[in-house]
Amino acid sequence: KAGVTQTPRYLIKTRGQQVTLSCSPISGHRSVSWYQQTPGQGLQFLFEYFSETQRNKGNFPGRFSGRQFSNSRSEMNVSTLELGDSALYLCASRSGQGGKEQYFGPGTRLTVT
Amino acid sequence: AQKITQTQPGMFVQEKEAVTLDCTYDTSDQSYGLFWYKQPSSGEMIFLIYQGSYDEQNATEGRYSLNFQKARKSANLVISASQLGDSAMYFCAMREGMNRDDKIIFGKGTRLHILP
Repeated sequence: KAGVTQTPRYLIKTRGQQVTLSCSPISGHRSVSWYQQTPGQGLQFLFEYFSETQRNKGNFPGRFSGRQFSNSRSEMNVSTLELGDSALYLCASRSGQGGKEQYFGPGTRLTVT
Repeated sequence: AQKITQTQPGMFVQEKEAVTLDCTYDTSDQSYGLFWYKQPSSGEMIFLIYQGSYDEQNATEGRYSLNFQKARKSANLVISASQLGDSAMYFCAMREGMNRDDKIIFGKGTRLHILP
């Protein structure tokens, strides 16, 4: 079974631009969560989607948004990028039916200049 | 207050020795799950082991075991017979309320260095 895939793996953007990251969960998994990882703040939860609905949200500004499609693939969008948005963005999937394990993708490393 | 505390920012261990990585947690829920993840320098988070709050036995997965002490709210990861490939960042995490799907909260991590 293929794992969680994320595209692109690396991205360089300029302040003020917007960016869209993509995540394809493990086949059959309906829950997708997004995390931001920085050296200073560690791993922080952004949001979780299940069956195309946002089920949970972390403490991030409205510039961070996401969506999930009917095939469970998810996208995360960050508008008006700031230097502090430079981070590793990790996506994770689980079955959503009380699935215990959450499996992560390789991440997208975003650099904002 | 931090929900997950990992008190060891870094550790150096000789190859083939056993390693214990500390993790304490804070929750008022009766139902919760505890996880350990490994993150090599490549960045990918690798799931290692899971322990449910109602599991009576300590979880084991190959060379990994979780020393679960519920009364002390402790969930230490034990790696037996360490290998050079175990050098990585290790994160302890918790999900509260197992009957509802909720976010997973991570600790700050412990960087483990295995010495040849």
